[in-house]
Amino acid sequence: AQSVTQLGSHVSVSEGALVLLRCNYSSSVPPYLFWYVQYPNQGLQLLLKYTTGATLVKGINGFEAEFKKSETSFHLTKPSAHMSDAAEYFCAVSYTGRRALTFGSGTRLQVQP
Amino acid sequence: DSGVTQTPKHLITATGQRVTLRCSPRSGDLSVYWYQQSLDQGLQFLIQYYNGEERAKGNILERFSAQQFPDLHSELNLSSLELGDSALYFCASSPKVRAEAFFGQGTRLTVV
Repeated sequence: AQSVTQLGSHVSVSEGALVLLRCNYSSSVPPYLFWYVQYPNQGLQLLLKYTTGATLVKGINGFEAEFKKSETSFHLTKPSAHMSDAAEYFCAVSYTGRRALTFGSGTRLQVQP
Repeated sequence: DSGVTQTPKHLITATGQRVTLRCSPRSGDLSVYWYQQSLDQGLQFLIQYYNGEERAKGNILERFSAQQFPDLHSELNLSSLELGDSALYFCASSPKVRAEAFFGQGTRLTVV
């Protein structure tokens, strides 16, 4: 079955430290990949997306992600965490023939002062 | 602001009742998706409409139904409600197949 897995339901970092949120997908065909962020009591906001072309994708709020086909991964990174980055992050995938996004289980990011 | 509007924001109702959730997609978006978010199930895709026609079904219960109207707004109908239906229900819209989806703020349904 085609799916997306987020490793680590909770990640805690110090303010100013590197943020790394992991996402792996399973697919026999090239997927489109997305990262979304959800702040408390809000909807999901698109951070960045990969469809085709350059494998390093830059998004909003200083986040970026790299599509690695050989590792079937699309990890989200940010060089320096801010307190305002504390939220839940979702990796999502879209496959040919499936029109709706399939979401991972989410990773809650906590930023310590 | 994503441009997707959902009403109401909060809904409290009793078991066995029926409710209707409403969604207005972004201007020009033909696709509307409904998702359910709960603590134990995460984000589950329910159903998709494209330009008034049902396009895909996910984990939608038979007690739930949806439709998309000619003006492209959509409604999700939930009937014979159970305590386990308490969740956040999100509507999302997108301009084309496999494009990113833009989410509304959600409707928080509490069944008591």
